[in-house]
Amino acid sequence: SQKIEQNSEALNIQEGKTATLTCNYTNYSPAYLQWYRQDPGRGPVFLLLIRENEKEKRKERLKVTFDTTLKQSLFHITASQPADSATYLCALGDDTGFQKLVFGTGTRLLVSP
Amino acid sequence: GEEVAQTPKHLVRGEGQKAKLYCAPIKGHSYVFWYQQVLKNEFKFLISFQNENVFDETGMPKERFSAKCLPNSPCSLEIQATKLEDSAVYFCASSQDLDGETQYFGPGTRLLVL
Repeated sequence: SQKIEQNSEALNIQEGKTATLTCNYTNYSPAYLQWYRQDPGRGPVFLLLIRENEKEKRKERLKVTFDTTLKQSLFHITASQPADSATYLCALGDDTGFQKLVFGTGTRLLVSP
Repeated sequence: GEEVAQTPKHLVRGEGQKAKLYCAPIKGHSYVFWYQQVLKNEFKFLISFQNENVFDETGMPKERFSAKCLPNSPCSLEIQATKLEDSAVYFCASSQDLDGETQYFGPGTRLLVL
C-alpha cells in the first residue's frame, strides 16, 4: 500500500544547530515533492519544491534533497532559530496530471534557545 | 485578494445536521483544492476545481459531501447529515496553475460534530 512516513516524534534541537527532517515514501512515483510549514491553528505554508530530476534545492537556510532510488527526501534547516519551531510536512505531487498533494503526517520541530 | 479566505473559522454541528464551508481563492488562481485534516496531521484530499469545473473528485465521499465553485461566488463544501467522524479541520488551497505550482492554503475551518 502507499505510504508517506515522517518522524512522528518531535525533534528537539538547540538554537544554532542544523535540523534534519526525513520523508520516506513507498509505492509512489511522485513527479515532485514539496515541503510545507504548519503552525498551530494555521494552514500549511509552502517552503520548497524539488522535482524528480533534481537532487538538491536550496533557499536561504533551507536545503532539500530528493533521492528517488531511496524514495526519500531530507529537509535541512541550518542555523536553526526558535522561530523555526513548527510542524513540517512533506507532500508528494502525483504524476497523474491531477496534481493533488498527498501529505505525510508531519514532524514537529522544537528549537530551544 | 492576496490570501485564501475561509469562513467560518469554527463550526459546531449536531450529528445529522448540515454543514457548509466557504472558500475565496486568491484572485487570478484557476485551481481550488479542498483537504480534510484529522488527528495526527493526517491530510486527506477531497476535491479540486479548475475554475468552476470539477477537476478531480476522487477523494470525495459522495454520499454526503458536495462542493461547488460558481463564478463570482466563494467556493463551498457542504456536508449533509454530518457524522462524528467528519470532525476535522477543512482546508482550502488555491494555485495559479498546475505542474508543481505552490498551493496557497487558507486558515481552515474547524468543524466539530457533537
